[in-house]
Amino acid sequence: EVQLVESGGGLVQPGRSLRLSCAASGFTFDDYAMHWVRQAPGKGLEWVSGISWNGGSLGYADSVKGRFTISRDNAKNSLYLQMNSLRTEDMALYYCAKSGGSGTYYNNWFDPWGQGTLVTVSS
Amino acid sequence: DIQMTQSPSSLSASVGDRVTITCRASQSISSYLNWYQQKPGKAPQLLIYAASSLQSGVPSRFSGSGSGTDFTLTISSLQPEDFATYYCQQSYSTPYTFGQGTNLEIK
Repeated sequence: EVQLVESGGGLVQPGRSLRLSCAASGFTFDDYAMHWVRQAPGKGLEWVSGISWNGGSLGYADSVKGRFTISRDNAKNSLYLQMNSLRTEDMALYYCAKSGGSGTYYNNWFDPWGQGTLVTVSS
Repeated sequence: DIQMTQSPSSLSASVGDRVTITCRASQSISSYLNWYQQKPGKAPQLLIYAASSLQSGVPSRFSGSGSGTDFTLTISSLQPEDFATYYCQQSYSTPYTFGQGTNLEIK
């Protein structure tokens, strides 16, 4: 069974940093692209970032470009999101999601999703 | 960025009803359109990918159609477990974008 377990969320002050992790199991991790998608409280879904199977291709939403960095460690079956210069508008539940059927991060759907880790940005 | 617009934003229906949700893209996205279901307090789940392909394990009462800019998700006969929020997502180009969601409620 595919499992994605996010961790690293918490309360952080504006301007500070946080690193999210996603531990993957139940599939060959380095065969698939991976993504982060977030959902602000009571709001819709927003794609944040994606990374190809080998980390060679990656992309970001404009809202996080230059502040967030996605990475992966295939030896540890893990995905990461380094979030710097956090803003109140970054407050959300952050989901890790596996790409549907592809190692590139192009033309991806997301399946499955983890249960999310909550990031709260407040002074 | 490609804008995705769903209609309606909310919908009341009864068990057994046939329901259709529409998603429109701001430019042609071929068949790069996916549908998700999200229940309160849960992560989204993939229902349909590539506009009309049913994800494994998803009941056959769910179907998707469309190409270009206009797409539909149809539930042929609503079941109690189908009351949820539905999102479309374009996978034609990054940044990937979602519709604003359709909240399907019990009438």
